[in-house]
Amino acid sequence: AQSVTQLGSHVSVSEGALVLLRCNYSSSVPPYLFWYVQYPNQGLQLLLKYTSAATLVKGINGFEAEFKKSETSFHLTKPSAHMSDAAEYFCAVSGPNTGNQFYFGTGTSLTVIP
Amino acid sequence: EAGVTQSPTHLIKTRGQQATLRCSPISGHTSVYWYQQALGLGLQFLLWYDEGEERNRGNFPPRFSGRQFPNYSSELNVNALELEDSALYLCASSLAGVLDTQYFGPGTRLTVL
Repeated sequence: AQSVTQLGSHVSVSEGALVLLRCNYSSSVPPYLFWYVQYPNQGLQLLLKYTSAATLVKGINGFEAEFKKSETSFHLTKPSAHMSDAAEYFCAVSGPNTGNQFYFGTGTSLTVIP
Repeated sequence: EAGVTQSPTHLIKTRGQQATLRCSPISGHTSVYWYQQALGLGLQFLLWYDEGEERNRGNFPPRFSGRQFPNYSSELNVNALELEDSALYLCASSLAGVLDTQYFGPGTRLTVL
């Protein structure tokens, strides 16, 4: 079965510092990969997605993620954290081998320290 | 263009009652998904409907059921409510099935007392 692992359920960074949120997937076939953000008391909003085109994917709000097949990773980064980036971030996978299902990671809560 | 809408925003029920949650997808989207987001458990896949039929189901008991109407809106029913059913229930829709991006609604917060 497919799985998505997000390392670190809580990450804290200082305002202006690099944001790095980790995501690893298990798949023998390159999947479709997504990052979503959830602000308090809201639904999920798509940040970016990878669907086997360019390995470096740029998303909204200055975020980007790089697909690394050799490492089965899809880490999310942002060069400079802003206070408004504080939220819950979810990595998700779907694709031909997911049994018609979307698999989400358990989420990483990002805190931005002023 | 309107996004995914869900109603009600909040729902309070007592143990043993039934809850009905509603979702309207983005216009043109035929697939609707339901997820449960309980505290500390992340997003758990519940159900996937496409073109009026149930396509897949997560690891939930049969008292969680739903349907999709001809206009592609959907309803999630939870019978015989238990305290642990308290959670945020999220609905998502997509254009082309499970491989396409899912767009989420704001959720319905269900509290079971």
